[in-house]
Amino acid sequence: KQEVTQIPAALSVPEGENLVLNCSFTDSAIYNLQWFRQDPGKGLTSLLLIQSSQREQTSGRLNASLDKSSGRSTLYIAASQPGDSATYLCAVPSGGSNYKLTFGKGTLLTVNP
Amino acid sequence: GAGVSQSPSNKVTEKGKDVELRCDPISGHTALYWYRQSLGQGLEFLIYFQGNSAPDKSGLPSDRFSAERTGGSVSTLTIQRTQQEDSAVYLCASSRRGLPGNSYEQYFGPGTRLTVT
Repeated sequence: KQEVTQIPAALSVPEGENLVLNCSFTDSAIYNLQWFRQDPGKGLTSLLLIQSSQREQTSGRLNASLDKSSGRSTLYIAASQPGDSATYLCAVPSGGSNYKLTFGKGTLLTVNP
Repeated sequence: GAGVSQSPSNKVTEKGKDVELRCDPISGHTALYWYRQSLGQGLEFLIYFQGNSAPDKSGLPSDRFSAERTGGSVSTLTIQRTQQEDSAVYLCASSRRGLPGNSYEQYFGPGTRLTVT
């Protein structure tokens, strides 16, 4: 059974700092890995999707990497801003499917002005 | 364009009542998913629809849960005889078709917060 772990569970940083969020998964036979953010009381916003054949994806100040063989992904956020404060979730399709997402518990990020 | 929409945004119901939750996917997305987010369990997959294929219902927690998708678009998740443990946020997502060996980003709606009293 696929298990997804995110470390740290919570992170508080001053504005402007670069930071890294970690995600690990137990079954490396994945089709892709997706990073989301969730604001309090809201749904999920897709940030980046990395296909299994890719090593990284970039969108603005965000960069996500994927190392399938070691079962790890990182989300790098450059020059953090208070508006980046949210819970960040990673998810991978599991159960042999390319659609049934298994999520980590998330990292609660607070960026202080 | 418009994203995934869900209604109602909040629903409070008494234990034992039936509830229906609605999801409108992004236009043109053939795949639709339901997930549940609860404090104890985190985010869990419930059911997946892809075009006219038989849905993958493997995540439904009990036979009190059912879902349908009419005309390949709107979906309704029905919970019969609600229990307090059904209290959670129910999230719907859609994507373009997930081809074998590849898959597409899932886009989520704002969710329906269900409270069973």
